[in-house]
Amino acid sequence: ETGVTQTPRHLVMGMTNKKSLKCEQHLGHNAMYWYKQSAKKPLELMFVYSLEERVENNSVPSRFSPECPNSSHLFLHLHTLQPEDSALYLCASSQDWGTGIGYTFGSGTRLTIV
Amino acid sequence: AQSVTQLDSHVSVSEGTPVLLRCNYSSSYSPSLFWYVQHPNKGLQLLLKYTSAATLVKGINGFEAEFKKSETSFHLTKPSAHMSDAAEYFCVVSDQGYGQNFVFGPGTRLSVLP
Repeated sequence: ETGVTQTPRHLVMGMTNKKSLKCEQHLGHNAMYWYKQSAKKPLELMFVYSLEERVENNSVPSRFSPECPNSSHLFLHLHTLQPEDSALYLCASSQDWGTGIGYTFGSGTRLTIV
Repeated sequence: AQSVTQLDSHVSVSEGTPVLLRCNYSSSYSPSLFWYVQHPNKGLQLLLKYTSAATLVKGINGFEAEFKKSETSFHLTKPSAHMSDAAEYFCVVSDQGYGQNFVFGPGTRLSVLP
């Protein structure tokens, strides 16, 4: 384990379902990130939270809704997803948003939309 | 704006032979450069990073990379490939002028043949 834990590891859901991805870190980091990794595409940064405030939202559709209740937890709420949303979703954390010190990735959640 | 080019989408080597994974970048400021490795169904693990110190950077598992500003390159090398090196490798640039802003390359898949 890297210190960043993601659950579930795998998720299969229908297009009308609502589910949430969870990310947890106990590294004392202040910044947390959601990335999307699709086949044959570069890793895409979705959201950045620094000190529990969203500081970046890279044109992500509203069917993805992030939540950061405290500096150790980050959620990605999913609803009415599309087949093209099937991907590996990676969470990462770093000591601070500005320095990138200690940038650490979780193992990801493999999401399949059916 | 930053960008990263990984010239080979797939590299295949025999076990015990040298590995060379190529990376070229563009950045308006003094960049930080990273190499990450991703094994199947795993998150990203940091191999090594360059942050304006020594231009030859040694990482884990016998990998190293050399920052060449004149060539805007940061190629990853290893003298002797091991079967366990088979994975996806990502070159990443971070624009220090704007703090944390990872830009990922498209990745190179390394296959190691027995």
